[in-house]
Amino acid sequence: RKEVEQDPGPFNVPEGATVAFNCTYSNSASQSFFWYRQDCRKEPKLLMSVYSSGNEDGRFTAQLNRASQYISLLIRDSKLSDSATYLCVVNERASGGSYIPTFGRGTSLIVHP
Amino acid sequence: EPEVTQTPSHQVTQMGQEVILRCVPISNHLYFYWYRQILGQKVEFLVSFYNNEISEKSEIFDDQFSVERPDGSNFTLKIRSTKLEDSAMYFCASRRTEQETQYFGPGTRLLVL
Repeated sequence: RKEVEQDPGPFNVPEGATVAFNCTYSNSASQSFFWYRQDCRKEPKLLMSVYSSGNEDGRFTAQLNRASQYISLLIRDSKLSDSATYLCVVNERASGGSYIPTFGRGTSLIVHP
Repeated sequence: EPEVTQTPSHQVTQMGQEVILRCVPISNHLYFYWYRQILGQKVEFLVSFYNNEISEKSEIFDDQFSVERPDGSNFTLKIRSTKLEDSAMYFCASRRTEQETQYFGPGTRLLVL
């Protein structure tokens, strides 16, 4: 069974801290990867796509390690507004040949003053 | 910026009743999805739709569920005879190609009594 695994947390950090989330996936044929953010009772919103070379967007850095089937998200200088659940999403090939975004359970982040 | 819309935002129904959840995907997107999220749990894939037919469906998507794209803009999910365990948030999503980012609608919160 194909799975996307994340540490559920919660990660409880002070403002200004650096925090890292990890995600592992089991389907080696997966081709695209994303981090989404979900606030309580809201829809998932794209935070960033994850590229093979790693990519950075302001305080956020995503890394992909295909050999280890591992994705990470680093948040520097945490803000109170970063408090949310971070969802790892892996585009997996389903039995019918289509690609289906598969969600991890999410990692909860709480940033406190 | 174009966005996915969903109606209604909330629906309360009696067990055994039929419900139709509506979505308007982003206009130049070709791939459409329904997901559900039971409170406190992960986002679960239900069904994907491309070229006017279902391309993949999960074990959750049984005979009680159906999808339609009745015109060029709407994408609907019908639950024929609702059960208590169908209570969840239902998200519609769309994307332009299979490897690109999905964009989610705000969801319909369904409560079955």
